Amino acid sequence: NAGVTQTPKFQVLKTGQSMTLQCAQDMNHNSMYWYRQDPGMGLRLIYYSASEGTTDKGEVPNGYNVSRLNKREFSLRLESAAPSQTSVYFCASSEEGFGNTIYFGEGSWLTVV
Amino acid sequence: EDQVTQSPEALRLQEGESSSLNCSYTVSGLRGLFWYRQDPGKGPEFLFTLYSAGEEKEKERLKATLTKKESFLHITAPKPEDSATYLCAVQAGNNNDMRFGAGTRLTVKP
Repeated sequence: NAGVTQTPKFQVLKTGQSMTLQCAQDMNHNSMYWYRQDPGMGLRLIYYSASEGTTDKGEVPNGYNVSRLNKREFSLRLESAAPSQTSVYFCASSEEGFGNTIYFGEGSWLTVV
Repeated sequence: EDQVTQSPEALRLQEGESSSLNCSYTVSGLRGLFWYRQDPGKGPEFLFTLYSAGEEKEKERLKATLTKKESFLHITAPKPEDSATYLCAVQAGNNNDMRFGAGTRLTVKP
């Protein structure tokens, strides 16, 4: 029962490098999300995809791009990494619509030096 | 703008010492209030959803309650394994996503 799976778990990047975080869910959910978590700030939404074929900006989208590859997969790309993007990234998914529980992956720890 | 504030930031309890965590919110059109537990190095784990004022949910030593302005997570006779960060989140208006509080870090000493 995998739920939401993210890769990689840990990554160190140099400033200016690019990388993609991968996410897949096996719960047949329509909606998927990318959050970042920083100390003292809680989880903040970067981008979300309400359903396959749609993506929307969240609270902190600058410096990121996303791709909803299919219903299962939602990737997050950093085109030119900056130290301010050092964070823990969580992918999540839910049924489409209001009031539905969002289920999270285990997180990806990213350090930009 | 939707806001979610959790207090206290950190709470240290002795095993068996009951207490409450607070989550206050200012949103337009609450769709749901969610409680999650997060262990170090892990993703948030869903605990409860509350949809309307007066609603209560229980799970083992945890009980969540909801009013029009805040939610409480009551912990009765906690054990060391209850040590974690507890996150509160709200979903409101036409937004499908959640707005999270910064969390309360709970430590229960044996």
